[in-house]
Amino acid sequence: EPEVTQTPSHQVTQMGQEVILRCVPISNHLYFYWYRQILGQKVEFLVSFYNNEISEKSEIFDDQFSVERPDGSNFTLKIRSTKLEDSAMYFCASSASVTGELFFGEGSRLTVL
Amino acid sequence: KQEVTQIPAALSVPEGENLVLNCSFTDSAIYNLQWFRQDPGKGLTSLLLIQSSQREQTSGRLNASLDKSSGRSTLYIAASQPGDSATYLCAGGPSAGAGSYQLTFGKGTKLSVIP
Repeated sequence: EPEVTQTPSHQVTQMGQEVILRCVPISNHLYFYWYRQILGQKVEFLVSFYNNEISEKSEIFDDQFSVERPDGSNFTLKIRSTKLEDSAMYFCASSASVTGELFFGEGSRLTVL
Repeated sequence: KQEVTQIPAALSVPEGENLVLNCSFTDSAIYNLQWFRQDPGKGLTSLLLIQSSQREQTSGRLNASLDKSSGRSTLYIAASQPGDSATYLCAGGPSAGAGSYQLTFGKGTKLSVIP
């Protein structure tokens, strides 16, 4: 069964460092998303991406965040200068259509020290 | 702005019992509603997607209903098993009213099925 894969599963970084989280969405999907979940809190939307551009972003997704689809298979989330409050589980998701079922990856746990 | 609430926050039942998890949402212009399962420290597994034109969806022992007019969805689990123990998340889908692509999640119901 097709699945969304994410790497790394866990990353520890120092405050102020840049981090890149990687995702391989399901191959025939067209819509890509990043969500995050701070420990004990709700899953929160960060950004959606379609046709090689951001289609929607939340207030959380400020200038420190960026997304990219560098080739036909990968979808990345970059945090330029990490803060302590960026510590969370980051989930990548994809869907075949904007109203279609979302499929999530296993997540990348980011710990900022 | 969409708000999604799930009640109860936690539920403990004996094995074999049928149970209902509740979800309410404020924006009825959603295109769909999706239920997920999350095991501790793991990702989100999609259980059921209900499109706005549908009233319910079934998968095995799971049945989810959607009533957009009242802003409610329920997830019914029949004959619960210890392997059903997890957190169940409800997410209101893209909204025609808000012109938004995002899912808005509830905080979840943590289910424990006691053998």
